[in-house]
Formats: sequence, structure tokens, C-alpha cells
Amino acid sequence: EVQLLESGGGLVQPGGSLRLSCAASGFTISSYVMSWVRQAPGKGLEWVSAIGSSGGSTYYADSVKDRFSISRDNSKNTLYLEINSLRVEDTAVYYCAKPRVGGTATGNFDYWGQGTLVTVSS
Amino acid sequence: EIVLTQSPGTLSLSPGEGATLSCRASQSVSSTFLAWYQQKPGQAPRLIIYGASSRATGIPDRFSGSGSGTDFTLTIGRLEPEDFAVYYCQQRFTFGPGTKVDIK
Repeated sequence: EVQLLESGGGLVQPGGSLRLSCAASGFTISSYVMSWVRQAPGKGLEWVSAIGSSGGSTYYADSVKDRFSISRDNSKNTLYLEINSLRVEDTAVYYCAKPRVGGTATGNFDYWGQGTLVTVSS
Repeated sequence: EIVLTQSPGTLSLSPGEGATLSCRASQSVSSTFLAWYQQKPGQAPRLIIYGASSRATGIPDRFSGSGSGTDFTLTIGRLEPEDFAVYYCQQRFTFGPGTKVDIK
């Protein structure tokens, strides 16, 4: 059974940093272009970042480029998102998401984690 | 950069009625990358339609997707109580703003 379990969220001051984790089971993350998607309170979905299935190519939304860093540990089957220089507008639930088909960046996320809440406030 | 526009913003309907939700892209997109999601309060999104017209696993056949190029549609045949939610379209890594289907 495919499962995604995020952790690492919390309350952080503006300018601070956090590392989010997404532990996957039931499939191998290195075979998929895995993504992070966030949702600010009461707002819609915003794709944040993705990491390629081979070679570890990384992709970022303009709103987080140069502040966020996506990575994965294949030995732990875990996806990470390092978030730095946090701003109030980064407050959101952060989801990791698996695409339906491996190897290509299609979107079409068929499995999502339950999300982890990041709150940026002084 | 592709922008997705969804209409209407809110759709107020009664159980048993049909729903038609629209997703328009700012430029032509591949149907392969067009997906629809359902999201209920406090829950993660759920994939409903992928590849513009294929139902995801476990999705009832009252949900159907269609369209190509810049115009895509999600149709819900007869609304069940559990269908009242927010629906998002997605093209690869871009999401639309969502359509809320609420009870009239």
C-alpha cells in the first residue's frame, strides 16, 4: 500500500528555516518525479518544487526559487524540502505528492500525504 | 507560463443535479498532463481525472472529463452528498484556482 507521511512542520519566525520530510512506503521514490505542493490557509493549491526520477534534476516555483531546496535519500525512501529565509506568506500546509506514472513530470498526483503545517510568525 | 482559469468560482446545486466545471488554459496544453482533483475541508486533494478524461482508481462513473487544447470540462452526472467539495484542475505543475461546489 502506497503511503506518504510528512513531518517537520511547526512555528518559525520570519527569516528562519525548517526541513520537511516525506517518508514514502509501498513504492520507490527514485522512480518518480516527486513534488511538494502547498496550500495557504483558505487558499488554493500551489506547486512548490519537484525532483527528477533520475539524476536528481530539481524544479522550483518562482515564488520559492533560491530559498527552498528539494532533495531525496533513496536509501531511506524519503523526500525532503529545506525551506530557508521563511516569510509570513510561506505559511501553509505542505504536502508531498506522487505522480501516477513514474519517470516523467506529468503532474497527475495519485497519492498525497496528509500534510504538515508550517506557520511563519513572530 | 501557463495560467489556468476555472469557472464558475462557486456552483450552488442540489443533490441529484448535474454539475459542469470549466478549466481554461492560457495556451494550448497536452491532454496527457490535465488532471482534476477533489478536495474536502481538512483533507488532502484526491485525484479524480487524469489525462483529461480517464477516471482515477475508485472514482465513480458519474465523474467524467473532456476537452482538449485550451478548454477542459469536469462533469458530475448526479451530485451525491459526498461530492460537495472544491475541485481543482492541474496542468503539469500549475493548478487552477478551484471551483467550489456547495449545497444549494
